[in-house]
Amino acid sequence: EDQVTQSPEALRLQEGESSSLNCSYTVSGLRGLFWYRQDPGKGPEFLFTLYSAGEEKEKERLKATLTKKESFLHITAPKPEDSATYLCAVQGAGANSKLTFGKGITLSVRP
Amino acid sequence: KAGVTQTPRYLIKTRGQQVTLSCSPISGHRSVSWYQQTPGQGLQFLFEYFSETQRNKGNFPGRFSGRQFSNSRSEMNVSTLELGDSALYLCASSLTSVNTGELFFGEGSRLTVL
Repeated sequence: EDQVTQSPEALRLQEGESSSLNCSYTVSGLRGLFWYRQDPGKGPEFLFTLYSAGEEKEKERLKATLTKKESFLHITAPKPEDSATYLCAVQGAGANSKLTFGKGITLSVRP
Repeated sequence: KAGVTQTPRYLIKTRGQQVTLSCSPISGHRSVSWYQQTPGQGLQFLFEYFSETQRNKGNFPGRFSGRQFSNSRSEMNVSTLELGDSALYLCASSLTSVNTGELFFGEGSRLTVL
């Protein structure tokens, strides 16, 4: 069974203080690893897809990287508006394989 | 373009009752999947429908069911509600299949079971 573990559960940063969020996974053949952002009272919003080890994707202050066992979401010089819960999900290579989500990391950025 | 619309947004039920939740996907999207989100378990996959056919199902009891209509709109039903069914139920749509992983989520239906 596919498993996703995200750490830490919560992270508090000062504005401008860069950090990384971790997503460790086990999956039988990786089809893709996905990052989502969820704001309170909202549904998750898609951020990135990573397909193979060594791949990187960037969007504004966010950069996602992938290895064979984990993914990192690096946040450079965060702003208060980056405060949200960040979810990681994996999908195995089997036909009609479902997405398995981690429990998320709640990021709070203080001004 | 309009996003994924879920109704109702909030509802309160009592144990033993049943509930039906509705989801209208983004226009042109043929895949609809449903997730249950709770603080303890996170997001858990319920099922996915594509062109009116259930393609995949998560590990939930038979009290949880769903369907998709020819216009891609979807409903899920929970019968004989239990306290543990209290959760945020999220619907997501995608253009072709959940296999793409790029899902567009609605804002959810928050169910409270008393």
